[in-house]
Parts: sequence; C-alpha cells; structure tokens
Amino acid sequence: EVKLLESGGGLVQPGGSLRLSCAASGFTFTDFYMSWIRQPPGKAPEWLGVIRNKANGYTTEYNPSVKGRFTISRDNTQNILYLQMNTLRAEDTAIYYCARDAHYWGQGVMVTVSS
Amino acid sequence: DIVMTQGALPNPVPSGESASITCQSSKSLLHSNGKTYLNWYLQRPGQSPQLLIYWMSTRASGVSDRFSGSGSGTDFTLKISSVEAEDVGVYYCQQFLEYPRTFGGGTKLELK
Repeated sequence: EVKLLESGGGLVQPGGSLRLSCAASGFTFTDFYMSWIRQPPGKAPEWLGVIRNKANGYTTEYNPSVKGRFTISRDNTQNILYLQMNTLRAEDTAIYYCARDAHYWGQGVMVTVSS
Repeated sequence: DIVMTQGALPNPVPSGESASITCQSSKSLLHSNGKTYLNWYLQRPGQSPQLLIYWMSTRASGVSDRFSGSGSGTDFTLKISSVEAEDVGVYYCQQFLEYPRTFGGGTKLELK
C-alpha cells in the first residue's frame, strides 16, 4: 500500500525557514517523480515543484512563485522527500502536501507564517 | 502559465440528479501523442484531494463509474450521474501538459 506521511510543519516567523519531510513507503521510491503542492486555507491547490526519478537524473522543476526560496530534494536511501523553505512570508501559510504523481497524496501538514 | 477556469454549479444539487462541472484552459491540453493532459480531483471536507479522472477521460482506480470526463483541447466537463452524499466537496481540474502545473479555482458541490 502506498503511504506518504508529511511532517515538519508548524508556526514560523516571517523571514524564517522550515524544512518539511515526506516519508514514502509501499513503492519503489526511486522509480517515481515526487511533488510538493500547497493549499492556502479555503483556496485552490498550488503546485510548487517536482523532483524527477532516477531514470531522469533526479532533476527538479519549480513554480516561479517559489523558485529561489524553496528547494526540493530526496533521500533515496531512506525514501524521504524534502521541501526546504526559506525567507517565509505570510502568504506561504498553507497545508503542504507531498504527492506521487497525481494518484497518491499525503494527508498534508500545516505551515503558519506569522509573528 | 496555463490558466484553468472552472464554472460554478447551481447548488444545491438534488440527490439522484446529475451534475456537470466545466473547466476551460487558456491553451490546448491536447498533445501530439493524442492524449489530453487534464486531471480531475475531488476534495471532500477535511481531506486531501483525490484523483478521479486523468488523461481527461480515464477513471482512476476505484472511482465510481458515475464519474465521467470529456472535452476538447480547451473545454472540459466532469459529469456526475446520480449525485450521492459522498460526492459532496470541491472539484478541481488540473493541467499537467506544462510546468508549472496549474489548478482551476474549484467548483463546490452541495447536496439538497
């Protein structure tokens, strides 16, 4: 069974940093593209970026809205996906989801940026 | 970026009636390979989005055949036949032809 479990969310001050993790199980992690998507309260989801699979060199793509502030990486030995978020702003407040292609999403983790 | 625009539903929808949700893209999502790069999701209250339809018209595993997707390169419809209580939530379309992937603003389905 495919499982994705996000962690690392919480309250952070504007300008601060946070690293989210997504523990994956139930599939061969290196075979799949992995994505981060966020959803501000009451709004539509926003795709943040993707890290490709082993066959495609683990390269990344980002939404221009977060490029340069957010970094996606993966630990293929521990099957963990990461999202490093820097210079956080109030508008980054959202539930953050990791996803394996479109078919599997985690339950999400809340990030609140506020002083 | 490709802009996805969704229509509204005349809520609430009577139980057992059909409902159609529309989505329009600012660029054709029809690839030269013949596939249309459009997903439909349902987000039930308090849950993560769940994939219903991919490639515009292919139902995801375990999804009821009451859900069907259709359309052209830029205009799409998700039809729900005989709406049930479990169908309540917000429906999103998403294009995966280009980066960044983009979602529509959502269409809320309420049951009468």
